[in-house]
Amino acid sequence: NAGVTQTPKFRVLKTGQSMTLLCAQDMNHEYMYWYRQDPGMGLRLIHYSVGEGTTAKGEVPDGYNVSRLKKQNFLLGLESAAPSQTSVYFCASSYATVFFHFGDGTRLSIL
Amino acid sequence: AQTVTQSQPEMSVQEAETVTLSCTYDTSESDYYLFWYKQPPSRQMILVIRQEAYKQQNATENRFSVNFQKAAKSFSLKISDSQLGDAAMYFCAYRSDAGNNRKLIWGLGTSLAVNP
Repeated sequence: NAGVTQTPKFRVLKTGQSMTLLCAQDMNHEYMYWYRQDPGMGLRLIHYSVGEGTTAKGEVPDGYNVSRLKKQNFLLGLESAAPSQTSVYFCASSYATVFFHFGDGTRLSIL
Repeated sequence: AQTVTQSQPEMSVQEAETVTLSCTYDTSESDYYLFWYKQPPSRQMILVIRQEAYKQQNATENRFSVNFQKAAKSFSLKISDSQLGDAAMYFCAYRSDAGNNRKLIWGLGTSLAVNP
């Protein structure tokens, strides 16, 4: 099925560990985004990409890194996880249209 | 900078009744898009309806319609004949038509309960 796939769906980390969240889309979209969703905070943009090989900071980029080596993939990395990064993470993609396609989210808990 | 405000953290409606969710936004731009997204307990983000700012006609999708007041910067969502499956968080979002980042700016959401 066409869409945005996030891997993994759930993960528990210990403080200081590192991990990478993978977002893959098969719609040939230029734009990809990583959001985090926290209670009472809505969705906040972490990083985004307007094309292969490009990335840019969003509202809350600190503590995260991203890469877009292939057009279909957008990776979000946590180098040294902190409890404040406990959240639900959403990836989204869009072409030069108004339709954003979201993944199903990744629930990340950091102990 | 653009902002989106949803002033109703929680709303409830009786099944089969009509409910209106409020959204206001602040922008100095003339061209933009507005969206309502639904997030059920499954966490999926589902597009409910969208509105182009240059269109005067209010968007409608089946039981969902909007009241778009550009001068007042208001974008409310009306759900008619509410169903139990409509229970969810509803987010209002704004997307600029300027630049090339296509970012969405989100409100904090309204939690809608549907009572049988």
